[in-house]
Amino acid sequence: NAGVMQNPRHLVRRRGQEARLRCSPMKGHSHVYWYRQLPEEGLKFMVYLQKENIIDESGMPKERFSAEFPKEGPSILRIQQVVRGDSAAYFCASSTTVVGGGNQPQHFGDGTRLSIL
Amino acid sequence: GESVGLHLPTLSVQEGDNSIINCAYSNSASDYFIWYKQESGKGPQFIIDIRSNMDKRQGQRVTVLLNKTVKHLSLQIAATQPGDSAVYFCAENIPNNDMRFGAGTRLTVKP
Repeated sequence: NAGVMQNPRHLVRRRGQEARLRCSPMKGHSHVYWYRQLPEEGLKFMVYLQKENIIDESGMPKERFSAEFPKEGPSILRIQQVVRGDSAAYFCASSTTVVGGGNQPQHFGDGTRLSIL
Repeated sequence: GESVGLHLPTLSVQEGDNSIINCAYSNSASDYFIWYKQESGKGPQFIIDIRSNMDKRQGQRVTVLLNKTVKHLSLQIAATQPGDSAVYFCAENIPNNDMRFGAGTRLTVKP
């Protein structure tokens, strides 16, 4: 049973370009979460999605950032017109049910390290 | 609570000793807690979880203790090994909200 798969593992973009980060959840998981992590810091929640729905995007910057989890295919975190401050590791996690409702932990991928030149 | 950008606290232990990593959580309504281990270059890895109706849970070489009175969570690692060196995060689930991560503690095991 494959774990959460994220790609690419490393992504380099120039300022002003677009970055697309992909996440395939574990088989059978319908809940996807995106987090951002700066070096030597904790994980900062960005967005929680279920298939075709954004449930909570309270951690997402209002501009340039968007996320989707289509009926078919991986979840995508999209960053438009990237700036140097977007450089970070972005982690995706998935779970089978809402944590607390089903008491199922989130399982994480190994992240995409985004570097902005 | 979320990290506020401070350097990670560090715990250094001798191989074979027991380790205790502490975490203060933020919300008295939190009902589910998880400890994660993160090695360099990898994503957080689930270690052990505990529900709010319990105060102790044991796994293989690990024990989680929950004190709801003071909103405190701890992870005990028995007979710490070099492979245990990593950053450890606690996470709390707030009902009708999402999981929130603590700032993390870096555990270094000296041979």
